[in-house]
Amino acid sequence: EIVMTQSPATLSVSPGERATLSCRASQSVSSNLAWYQQKPGQAPRLLIYGASTRATGIPARFSGSGSGTEFTLTISSLQSEDFAVYYCQQYNNWPPLWTFGQGTKVEIK
Amino acid sequence: EVQLVESGGGLVQPGGSLRLSCAASGFTFSSYWMSWVRQAPGKGLEWVANIKQDGSEKYYVDSVKGRFTISRDNAKNSLYLQMNSLRAEDTAVYYCASASGYFDYWGQGTLVTVSS
Repeated sequence: EIVMTQSPATLSVSPGERATLSCRASQSVSSNLAWYQQKPGQAPRLLIYGASTRATGIPARFSGSGSGTEFTLTISSLQSEDFAVYYCQQYNNWPPLWTFGQGTKVEIK
Repeated sequence: EVQLVESGGGLVQPGGSLRLSCAASGFTFSSYWMSWVRQAPGKGLEWVANIKQDGSEKYYVDSVKGRFTISRDNAKNSLYLQMNSLRAEDTAVYYCASASGYFDYWGQGTLVTVSS
């Protein structure tokens, strides 16, 4: 099983500031890495796939980078609607036994 | 507009069974792998099961193998999860999602509570 580890668990950021979230894989997942945003009471929403490709309708302030075992999600200037929990997910292995990180909560400082 | 609508959740006793359904619309259902993902109360996301477009391949997380069965009916644009021998630790919101490796689209989820 590929274990995904996200850090930090909680990130306190002021509106307008930059947020940097990390995700580490226990073995290489190439660029087969996705990021999701989840707000309370809602289903997750796909933000990034292929480590760096924004999903349809996702604002440009969200960007993803990395490959192999180290990945980063950057939110360039936090808006009020961006305070949420963010998850990374790998989809590299075969058979397709996909795994999520434990999540990073981005809260208002 | 893509829609995934889950149903079938509820309260069930330990050892009991439940069948979840997911009705899909707005995309070519038969062209996608489909998945179930769950989220225990206050916890993170856990992938549960995948099924190939034609239903010929199915994969499960170890904790549900032998107890849960994923299936689909492409003629009805529907995905199912048969859950048997339910345990307290299966309590969660269950989401169906279209799968391209990553999960493109998600339903709103259905809550399964396993308790006596």
